[in-house]
Amino acid sequence: AIQLTQSPSSLSASVGDRVTITCRASQGISSALAWYQQKPGKAPKLLIYDASSLESGVPSRFSGSGSGTDFTLTISSLQPEDFATYYCQQFDTFGGGTKVEIK
Amino acid sequence: QLQLQESGPGLVKPSETLSLTCTVSGGSISSSSYYWGWIRQPPGKGLEWIGSIYYSGSTYYNPSLKSRVTISVDTSKNQFSLKLSSVTAADTAVYYCARLVGLGVTKVRFIDYWGQGTLVTVSS
Repeated sequence: AIQLTQSPSSLSASVGDRVTITCRASQGISSALAWYQQKPGKAPKLLIYDASSLESGVPSRFSGSGSGTDFTLTISSLQPEDFATYYCQQFDTFGGGTKVEIK
Repeated sequence: QLQLQESGPGLVKPSETLSLTCTVSGGSISSSSYYWGWIRQPPGKGLEWIGSIYYSGSTYYNPSLKSRVTISVDTSKNQFSLKLSSVTAADTAVYYCARLVGLGVTKVRFIDYWGQGTLVTVSS
């Protein structure tokens, strides 16, 4: 079974910082990779699908890229509402999550 | 606006069967474009795929849970359901139902709608 490894598992950043989260697959996968944002006590929210397509209504500071085994989620300028945990997903597998905290 | 709502007991005894239902409103569960699924999240941990179903009844289950999971659909009620048998404390989690977009029950591209989640605790 494919495994998705996210790094880092947590990070501290300031408002305005550029943040990059990586999702590495244990074997080459299709571009059907999605990214989600989850805040405490809430269901995850879709940000990016098909590796780089921005979900409707999601701010353009979020972007996704990658192919094969390495994928990234980038937040170009971190906003206060972006402090959350982020997950990647491909088919029936989720990454372990990356918690973005305030520095 | 599509909405999904989980319902079922919040407390289940060890060795018993966990049963949850997801009611879909604002859209038809019989749409040929979508699949439906269950995902869970133990307290303080990450997300785990449980399984998925198409309105026709085709299913896919996480291999690690397959022996204990049954997912079914009731198109007349616009609902789908989860049964997880022989539960232990390790099955304590928030259970989410969701709408899936993909190429089949095993090839889910992404999840675009989620229920609010329901906490199920396994304890005597």
